[in-house]
Amino acid sequence: KQEVTQIPAALSVPEGENLVLNCSFTDSAIYNLQWLRQDPGKGLTSLLLIQSSQREQTSGRLNASLDKSSGRSTLYIAASQPGDSATYLCAVRGYILTGGGNKLTFGTGTQLKVEL
Amino acid sequence: ETGVTQTPRHLVMGMTNKKSLKCEQHLGHNAMYWYKQSAKKPLELMFVYSLEERVENNSVPSRFSPECPNSSHLFLHLHTLQPEDSALYLCASSQVAVNEQFFGPGTRLTVL
Repeated sequence: KQEVTQIPAALSVPEGENLVLNCSFTDSAIYNLQWLRQDPGKGLTSLLLIQSSQREQTSGRLNASLDKSSGRSTLYIAASQPGDSATYLCAVRGYILTGGGNKLTFGTGTQLKVEL
Repeated sequence: ETGVTQTPRHLVMGMTNKKSLKCEQHLGHNAMYWYKQSAKKPLELMFVYSLEERVENNSVPSRFSPECPNSSHLFLHLHTLQPEDSALYLCASSQVAVNEQFFGPGTRLTVL
């Protein structure tokens, strides 16, 4: 059974700081890995999707890396801003099919607060 | 409307009530999902529909009944719920069952 762990559970940093969020998963046979952010009352927003054959993906100030063999991914946020305050979720998608669907397994998230 | 929408956004119901949650996606996707998010727990996949057919049911109690009448709409019918069913229920869609999922804002359900 796939298990996803995110560390730290909560993080508070001053504005402008670079930071790293960590995600680990127990089963390395994944199809891809997705980083999302969750804002209160606004659902989840997909940030980056890394296919299992890729090592990293970048979008603006965000950079996500994937080391499938060690079961780890990191999300790097450069020059953090108060608007980055949210809960960041890591989700992995496995190969196992059940009638045509692949299961997405989520971590419990890292709650980030960027202070002025 | 764009993206994935969910109604209602908030719902309070008694244990004997029957209610339904609605999800609609405007992205042309062909797979839809229901997730449950309880406090301090990871999102849990409840149901997956691919091409309007249910392809996964993660051992969800029968008091939750999904319905997918077409590729754009997904319902979750609720009856005789328990207080522990109080949670945020999220709907998502994707182009195919394996690709990036896009989420709605969720329905915050409280069962009294």
